[in-house]
Amino acid sequence: EIVMTQSPATLSVSPGERVTLSCRASQTISSNLGWYQKKPGQGPRLLIYGASTRATGIPARFSGSGSETEFTLTISSLQSEDFAIYYCQQYKNWPLTFGGGTRVESK
Amino acid sequence: EVQLVESGGGVVQPGGSLRLSCAASGFTFGDYVIHWVRQAAGKGLEWVSLISGDGSDIFYGDSVKGRFTISRDNSKNSLYLQMNSLRTEDTAFYYCVKAHSGIYPNSRIFHYWGQGALVTVSS
Repeated sequence: EIVMTQSPATLSVSPGERVTLSCRASQTISSNLGWYQKKPGQGPRLLIYGASTRATGIPARFSGSGSETEFTLTISSLQSEDFAIYYCQQYKNWPLTFGGGTRVESK
Repeated sequence: EVQLVESGGGVVQPGGSLRLSCAASGFTFGDYVIHWVRQAAGKGLEWVSLISGDGSDIFYGDSVKGRFTISRDNSKNSLYLQMNSLRTEDTAFYYCVKAHSGIYPNSRIFHYWGQGALVTVSS
């Protein structure tokens, strides 16, 4: 099983700040990585797939980068609606696995 | 607009059974892989199962293999998860998720999610 490790666990930020979230895979996954945003009471929302392709309707302030084992999600200027938990997910191998998440909270 | 609406959640005793349903709309249901993903309270996301568009390919996570059965009825735009021999660790919100497409690797990307159905396994 591929283990996905996200860091940091929690990030305290203010609106307008640039935010960088990291995700590491325990083995190479090429670009088979997605990023999801989860808010309380809602199903997760797909942000990024293929490590760097924004999903339909996702604002340009969200960007993804990386390949093989190291990946990054960047929010260029955090908006108030971006406070949430962010998860990465690999889809290279079975079983499909998620990272433990990074909570982005208000400073 | 894509919509996925789960139903059938509830409270069940350990060892019991429950059947979740997911009603889909807004897309050609039979063209897409559909997944079940769950999240226990305060925990991360866990992939549970997937079924291909025509139902011929099915996969399960190790924690539910042999106990859960996924199925679909394309004539009713519906997905199901039959859960047997339930354990306390199966307590979670269960999400019905439409894949990005029916073709690898995008069939493994979780594109649209429902709101979730809560399953509580407790004596």
